[in-house]
Amino acid sequence: SAVISQKPSRDICQRGTSLTIQCQVDSQVTMMFWYRQQPGQSLTLIATANQGSEATYESGFVIDKFPISRPNLTFSTLTVSNMSPEDSSIYLCSVEVGGVTEAFFGQGTRLTVV
Amino acid sequence: AQKVTQAQTEISVVEKEDVTLDCVYETRDTTYYLFWYKQPPSGELVFLIRRNSFDEQNEISGRYSWNFQKSTSSFNFTITASQVVDSAVYFCALSVFILTGGGNKLTFGTGTQLKVEL
Repeated sequence: SAVISQKPSRDICQRGTSLTIQCQVDSQVTMMFWYRQQPGQSLTLIATANQGSEATYESGFVIDKFPISRPNLTFSTLTVSNMSPEDSSIYLCSVEVGGVTEAFFGQGTRLTVV
Repeated sequence: AQKVTQAQTEISVVEKEDVTLDCVYETRDTTYYLFWYKQPPSGELVFLIRRNSFDEQNEISGRYSWNFQKSTSSFNFTITASQVVDSAVYFCALSVFILTGGGNKLTFGTGTQLKVEL
């Protein structure tokens, strides 16, 4: 299993600003994933982040809006740039551990943009 | 492309009733995993069960049971003797291997809001 810590747990931000969300895992993992959950909606994959390479973004998500860093095997950040109220969502980090196809999730970051 | 359908948007039951949450999936992959997750009001995602595409054995774990049928592409979840603490949104998800870059990508259904009342 894996324990994932996300920071911040919640934030209220002004439109036009940026927020960086941190995801820390208690063990080394190859794959890290970032998801967005808009209010009352399901989870949608934003991007997959491998250590040492550029993140792979899903359709509808671009690096300029959601830059991702993956400096090592236990840490990743997602930045939500130039925020608008439509970015208000829960953002979740998840990982796979040891090739086991079971995604572990952080507790999420509740973002409200005003 | 993968797709997961949870036709039930909201279910309300009285405590101690049994409730079944439906999930239908679509994929062209022959190897895949199916999941159920629970999301209580606090927002975190709680893993409940994983099944791979080669394991159609159904299982009972306490008050939870699962019915996986490849012939109908369904992966239904049943809570027996529901309790108020079961109130949450339940997500069914499908995972397939990502050829480019590796890893397994999860596709979620839209979720079913379960309300268990006294």
